[in-house]
Amino acid sequence: DTEVTQTPKHLVMGMTNKKSLKCEQHMGHRAMYWYKQKAKKPPELMFVYSYEKLSINESVPSRFSPECPNSSLLNLHLHALQPEDSALYLCASSPPGQGASNTGELFFGEGSRLTVL
Amino acid sequence: AQSVTQPDIHITVSEGASLELRCNYSYGATPYLFWYVQSPGQGLQLLLKYFSGDTLVQGIKGFEAEFKRSQSSFNLRKPSVHWSDAAEYFCAVEGNAGNMLTFGGGTRLMVKP
Repeated sequence: DTEVTQTPKHLVMGMTNKKSLKCEQHMGHRAMYWYKQKAKKPPELMFVYSYEKLSINESVPSRFSPECPNSSLLNLHLHALQPEDSALYLCASSPPGQGASNTGELFFGEGSRLTVL
Repeated sequence: AQSVTQPDIHITVSEGASLELRCNYSYGATPYLFWYVQSPGQGLQLLLKYFSGDTLVQGIKGFEAEFKRSQSSFNLRKPSVHWSDAAEYFCAVEGNAGNMLTFGGGTRLMVKP
């Protein structure tokens, strides 16, 4: 199994809603990532989990709350979002790096397209 | 800190023609270099990567890239483009010592019949 599965594929929510994005991989990868991608832009790193511990938080607003319940699952909890948070949210995972590489190859899911009304 | 520049935002080529997508990086040492492809509405897929050794690397789908240290470049090439190659292409760089991946702005490839 070489897939990263993200659910839901599409999500529409109001600014007062609470929702979650989910990501799952069964490749035995111990690093998992959340990226945000706006239209016609490259992905921007939000969070990195390494061995189920949050290792990087790229100054993301607290209305985004990541969670890594186990080595296969990664969640992104959403609360009180703003319309400008509408984007494609990509989950990725990576195996131990080659040489000194920290990330090696990233395996991406297809993303969850979020619309905040 | 590392950075990546993809000078071409859009490129249009005819099907069957050759392709070269440019990528320039800035980093103090030899970085780790990647090319990813993203089809519309999809996640990113790794095409190829360079860590060390032979500076010409082969990837999936008939793509190759050449690392040129003197030019700080890692250009992606394909000898004959297929209509299914139409997508967004991202060059990425990773410095060592625990730095994360930095993506270039992307190049959108369109293929004419």
